Amino acid sequence: DTGVSQNPRHKITKRGQNVTFRCDPISEHNRLYWYRQTLGQGPEFLTYFQNEAQLEKSRLLSDRFSAERPKGSFSTLEIQRTEQGDSAMYLCASSKGLAGAYEQYFGPGTRLTVT
Amino acid sequence: QQQVKQSPQSLIVQKGGIPIINCAYENTAFDYFPWYQQFPGKGPALLIAIRPDVSEKKEGRFTISFNKSAKQFSLHIMDSQPGDSATYFCAASIGGNNRKLIWGLGTSLAVNP
Repeated sequence: DTGVSQNPRHKITKRGQNVTFRCDPISEHNRLYWYRQTLGQGPEFLTYFQNEAQLEKSRLLSDRFSAERPKGSFSTLEIQRTEQGDSAMYLCASSKGLAGAYEQYFGPGTRLTVT
Repeated sequence: QQQVKQSPQSLIVQKGGIPIINCAYENTAFDYFPWYQQFPGKGPALLIAIRPDVSEKKEGRFTISFNKSAKQFSLHIMDSQPGDSATYFCAASIGGNNRKLIWGLGTSLAVNP
């Protein structure tokens, strides 16, 4: 298996601009998660997909955030009208959808800086 | 409210030492407890994980000790090496389909040569 990949690795944008990140999970992993991590903190859950269905969204995910996984493979996370508080590492993880297979494998993350 | 409390915040040991990182939780519905290692600028990498039906699990130089009654678990790194210098996170998840991870705040470990 190739690992989870994320693009871009770094994104610098001006406040008010829209940005989109992509995550390619491990093939045949039907669960996909997005987390956000700020400096010195642990990751915080944002949202979760099982196949193409988005089954849970955190309260952290404001209306400016939207995530999709149109064909149950790759996923995109879009942030509209970015704010400085959106600056963080955005992490994607995937796992198998099998009973007892709880392991989540993370990508390298996308570092967003909003100026 | 921090659902998973991790300590210490930072730790310095000499090469060959055995750093111990501790985590405590309150929610008895948690049933899966992984540890992740993270290097600067990288995503977290799964090290080892445990379910509450066992009290200890060992993989290579990494050991998890689990105390269900105390609602605590810890990571021990045997024969630590400078390459183990990283941030370590404990996490927990609840049974069900989602399995989202609830994370501790992390421990920054430095292993001196």
